[in-house]
Amino acid sequence: NAGVMQNPRHLVRRRGQEARLRCSPMKGHSHVYWYRQLPEEGLKFMVYLQKENIIDESGMPKERFSAEFPKEGPSILRIQQVVRGDSAAYFCASSRTLSLGPAEAFFGQGTRLTVV
Amino acid sequence: AQKITQTQPGMFVQEKEAVTLDCTYDTSDPSYGLFWYKQPSSGEMIFLIYQGSYDQQNATEGRYSLNFQKARKSANLVISASQLGDSAMYFCAMREGEASSASKIIFGSGTRLSIRP
Repeated sequence: NAGVMQNPRHLVRRRGQEARLRCSPMKGHSHVYWYRQLPEEGLKFMVYLQKENIIDESGMPKERFSAEFPKEGPSILRIQQVVRGDSAAYFCASSRTLSLGPAEAFFGQGTRLTVV
Repeated sequence: AQKITQTQPGMFVQEKEAVTLDCTYDTSDPSYGLFWYKQPSSGEMIFLIYQGSYDQQNATEGRYSLNFQKARKSANLVISASQLGDSAMYFCAMREGEASSASKIIFGSGTRLSIRP
């Protein structure tokens, strides 16, 4: 769904550099979810944030990965000191409220991170 | 334990035929939602169809329908009159919990569908 905007679409980083991935949720949405997709695999949940709060980070690696969703501006997924294994597609989804419904099931187009 | 199981890693189907993609799920929560997504080679995740656990009727969206068998915990996707553009990866997914609480969507491993002309 074009309403969830992710940038950049493609990101190349050398080993050891930092990667910053941005997600602008749909207008009016205050909940953001980040997922990672390794090649030939399904999406794996990483973190769920509300504005200024991390609600569930059970899928985040313990080191080098962090996420924020400030009061103003996009949500940021930050990967420090990237390694080749971080190469993946990172997807973001957003929702307005707590809901099970399909309206909150839309993803951004993803950021494809390549670590060289 | 696997929450979402897709047992068909790949399928080949002749154009214009109907195709069924299998999905079984595991949950003890009475409230849940089931989703199907299409991921073409371009990589984006395209939402196709949704079924709520309390929905009485099977969901349909154009050529897509969801064959929801609650007792068997299966949620197969049926694509009628397949087209070449249907060639893609298809993911089944589930979200658990009451409508008043949000939770993550859990994905299956996917089925790669190839439509033959």
